[in-house]
Amino acid sequence: GESVGLHLPTLSVQEGDNSIINCAYSNSASDYFIWYKQESGKGPQFIIDIRSNMDKRQGQRVTVLLNKTVKHLSLQIAATQPGDSAVYFCAEIRTGGFKTIFGAGTRLFVKA
Amino acid sequence: GAVVSQHPSWVICKSGTSVKIECRSLDFQATTMFWYRQFPKQSLMLMATSNEGSKATYEQGVEKDKFLINHASLTLSTLTVTSAHPEDSSFYICSANPDRSGSYNEQFFGPGTRLTVL
Repeated sequence: GESVGLHLPTLSVQEGDNSIINCAYSNSASDYFIWYKQESGKGPQFIIDIRSNMDKRQGQRVTVLLNKTVKHLSLQIAATQPGDSAVYFCAEIRTGGFKTIFGAGTRLFVKA
Repeated sequence: GAVVSQHPSWVICKSGTSVKIECRSLDFQATTMFWYRQFPKQSLMLMATSNEGSKATYEQGVEKDKFLINHASLTLSTLTVTSAHPEDSSFYICSANPDRSGSYNEQFFGPGTRLTVL
C-alpha cells in the first residue's frame, strides 16, 4: 500500500552540527508535506511544511527540500541543539481533505 | 491560541471495561477532528476522522464498534474504547483543524492520552 517512510530510524549528531533527516514517499498525488517533531510523551509539534509545487522552503534554522522526481523529502536543521532531540516525522496531506498520513519517524540524538 | 487538550492524560483500566477519552479545542471551533493511535517506537496511525454532526469516518482495519467516536459539539470529540483489552494499550492522540482556516496545515495536536489495559 501507499506509505510515507524514512530511510534512517536513528540519527546522532554533535551539538552545533547540521542535521539532515530523510523521508521517502510513494503517493505522488499528495498536496502538502509536513515535518513534525514529537518529544517523549507529547503530541506532534508542527515544524515546517511545503506545498507539492515547491522544491524548497526555509524556516528558522530549518529547511525542507522536496524532490518529486525521486519522491524524497528532507529536513535540514542548522546548528543542532540539545533541545532538538526528539522523534521527527514526515507526513503528507493527500488530495481531497485534511487527512494526515505519518511516516515511520527518525529519532534524533544531539550529543553535547 | 489554538490549543487542543485531552483528558485524561493517562488511564489504567481492567480488561473488559470501557474508557472514554476527550479531545477539546480550547479557543477555536473545529468541525473536523482526527484520532490517532501510536504504539511504542512507532508512528502515528490515523484511526478515524471525527465530524461534528455526522458519523465518523474510520480508516481501514479500525473497528467502529470497538472505537466509538462522538463529535458532540464544535469543540469536543470523544473516543470510547469499548471492552478494552491489553492489546488496546497505546498512546491515543487527537488533532483538530480550525474552522476559521482554509489551510490544511492549521491542524493542532493534543498532548495525547496513555491508555494501559491490565
